[in-house]
Amino acid sequence: GIQVEQSPPDLILQEGANSTLRCNFSDSVNNLQWFHQNPWGQLINLFYIPSGTKQNGRLSATTVATERYSLLYISSSQTTDSGVYFCAVELTRAGSYQLTFGKGTKLSVIP
Amino acid sequence: DVKVTQSSRYLVKRTGEKVFLECVQDMDHENMFWYRQDPGLGLRLIYFSYDVKMKEKGDIPEGYSVSREKKERFSLILESASTNQTSMYLCASSEDYLYEQYFGPGTRLTVT
Repeated sequence: GIQVEQSPPDLILQEGANSTLRCNFSDSVNNLQWFHQNPWGQLINLFYIPSGTKQNGRLSATTVATERYSLLYISSSQTTDSGVYFCAVELTRAGSYQLTFGKGTKLSVIP
Repeated sequence: DVKVTQSSRYLVKRTGEKVFLECVQDMDHENMFWYRQDPGLGLRLIYFSYDVKMKEKGDIPEGYSVSREKKERFSLILESASTNQTSMYLCASSEDYLYEQYFGPGTRLTVT
């Protein structure tokens, strides 16, 4: 099956710092999503980004589908950004439906 | 906003009990999904449904069944709960194939 690798696995930032999270995937995809899992376990949608660049406030994401990677940028980090960030992809195959998740990047933002 | 709700946030059951986890979405989405999340293993798909009364197995369907009698509701059933089914269970829905999936708050199930 498709492999989804996220890096780094853990990241500790001082409040106000910027960071880049990476997601590499091993096959062609038609769907890529970034999620933030908060301390209570809720997965919150950040971006639906199978290709191109999107921005939402302090967060932005870029997916280069031809090179099989996606990046999530967090600028001016805040303690509320702490949690686990997941990348999930869906294969380019009719009716596959299935999202495959990476193992996540655990972000800790300290005051 | 899409809203996906799950019947319980925390649940404690005994080995051998029949367990029902329910999920409801309010956006008329075609597809619904059940995942479990375990430390070190990430999120894994148990079952999904692309229409009422239709279901497909995911990566780890053993020990589980599902039911979708109405479009908005998708139930996960543990016929005879076992301790290795202690986990976080997450429900999701999406409008159609290749659309965003939206997740519920999760149910932490402990089987003793």
